Amino acid sequence: EADIYQTPRYLVIGTGKKITLECSQTMGHDKMYWYQQDPGMELHLIHYSYGVNSTEKGDLSSESTVSRIRTEHFPLTLESARPSHTSQYLCASSESEWAPGNEQFFGPGTRLTVL
Amino acid sequence: EDQVTQSPEALRLQEGESSSLNCSYTVSGLRGLFWYRQDPGKGPEFLFTLYSAGEEKEKERLKATLTKKESFLHITAPKPEDSATYLCAVQAKTSGSRLTFGEGTQLTVNP
Repeated sequence: EADIYQTPRYLVIGTGKKITLECSQTMGHDKMYWYQQDPGMELHLIHYSYGVNSTEKGDLSSESTVSRIRTEHFPLTLESARPSHTSQYLCASSESEWAPGNEQFFGPGTRLTVL
Repeated sequence: EDQVTQSPEALRLQEGESSSLNCSYTVSGLRGLFWYRQDPGKGPEFLFTLYSAGEEKEKERLKATLTKKESFLHITAPKPEDSATYLCAVQAKTSGSRLTFGEGTQLTVNP
């Protein structure tokens, strides 16, 4: 079944640790996105990719980095986690930026807590 | 700058009590308006895409409509399982595939 996966679902980690949040999709989509969402707040785009070896920063400044070596895989890395990074991180993908196919499909999210 | 404002922030309904959620938007050329449903602790679930004023889409008890300035999500005879946060997002013609989201409306349907 075509889907989008995120691991881990929950992560509690200490300050200064390096972490990687995984995102994979089996839908064959070229475009992938990372959003950050605090409780009760809107989603903010932090990174996006239009294809292999393409990555761009989003609207919200983030200390994280991303890579896109394979179409289906779009991991997000924090080199040194801080309590301000505590949030929900959501990965999404879409077939196209044009209609039809421009709707984004989301993974289940990773809830990150940095102590 | 693209903006999306959703109202009300929270809405409580009794089962069977129909109502509407509002999404007002400002965008430099609309390519698409999207509605999502989000359950606590989960990722948003895609519901509808609307592309032009006058367009309507339906799915079970939900109906989405679009004008040049706003979109409505009508919920007919809601059930407790419709309780969730409903998110609206817009895609501008000048922003590629990037979306701008509203803060959402938290809907609670009591039995």
